[in-house]
Amino acid sequence: QQQVKQSPQSLIVQKGGIPIINCAYENTAFDYFPWYQQFPGKGPALLIAIRPDVSEKKEGRFTISFNKSAKQFSLHIMDSQPGDSATYFCAASIEGSSNTGKLIFGQGTTLQVKP
Amino acid sequence: NAGVTQTPKFQVLKTGQSMTLQCAQDMNHNSMYWYRQDPGMGLRLIYYSASEGTTDKGEVPNGYNVSRLNKREFSLRLESAAPSQTSVYFCASQTTGQLNTEAFFGQGTRLTVV
Repeated sequence: QQQVKQSPQSLIVQKGGIPIINCAYENTAFDYFPWYQQFPGKGPALLIAIRPDVSEKKEGRFTISFNKSAKQFSLHIMDSQPGDSATYFCAASIEGSSNTGKLIFGQGTTLQVKP
Repeated sequence: NAGVTQTPKFQVLKTGQSMTLQCAQDMNHNSMYWYRQDPGMGLRLIYYSASEGTTDKGEVPNGYNVSRLNKREFSLRLESAAPSQTSVYFCASQTTGQLNTEAFFGQGTRLTVV
C-alpha cells in the first residue's frame, strides 16, 4: 500500500523549461512534506519542504504548491538547468507530538534537462 | 564535515551469507534510520532508532536486524541474505522531538545477493 503516490516516473525537458512533479497522499495526519533530490551514486538530500498551513513555498528556482483539500502537492522547477538532472522524491511524515522522523517516500521521478 | 558515513559502499553476497552494514553520524542526532531503495518503489524504512538503546520496526523489517551501538552508530545485519535483499541501502540521521529538523543521508551501500 503506497501512502504517497508520485508521478510521473520520468520527465525530460529542455533547458529553461518548467518540470512539474506531482504527489498525492492518503493519511491526513501527515503534517510535513519534504522533497529530496538525489544525484547518481549519492544519498538523497533535502531540497525544500512545506507544512499544510501554507499553500506555496519558494526557495530559489524551486516551488512547492500544496492543496490540502485534495491531499496533493507538487514541485515546480523554474528555468530548469542541466545541473537539475537528478531523481526527485516527495515524502511525508508526521511531526506533531510523536515526531519520529519516519519518512514515507513517493516512488521517485527521474528528471533529465537537455541543454 | 563527515555527516553520515556508511561502509561498505559495495558488496556482493551469496545467498545464505550474512553481513553487517555499518553507519556512523557525527552530528549528535538522536534518531537514526535504515532505508532501502528499489527501482519504482522509492525509499522504504527498514528499522529506526529514536535513541541509544531503542529500535523499532519500519515498513519492511523482515530478514533484517539492527543494533544501536551508541549515539553515533547504527548497524544493519542480514543474517541469511536472499536475492530479494538486493538493493541500495541508505542510513540517515536526524534530531527528532522538535520541528524544522532535517534528515541527512549517507551515500548508500549497493548490495547484490546472488
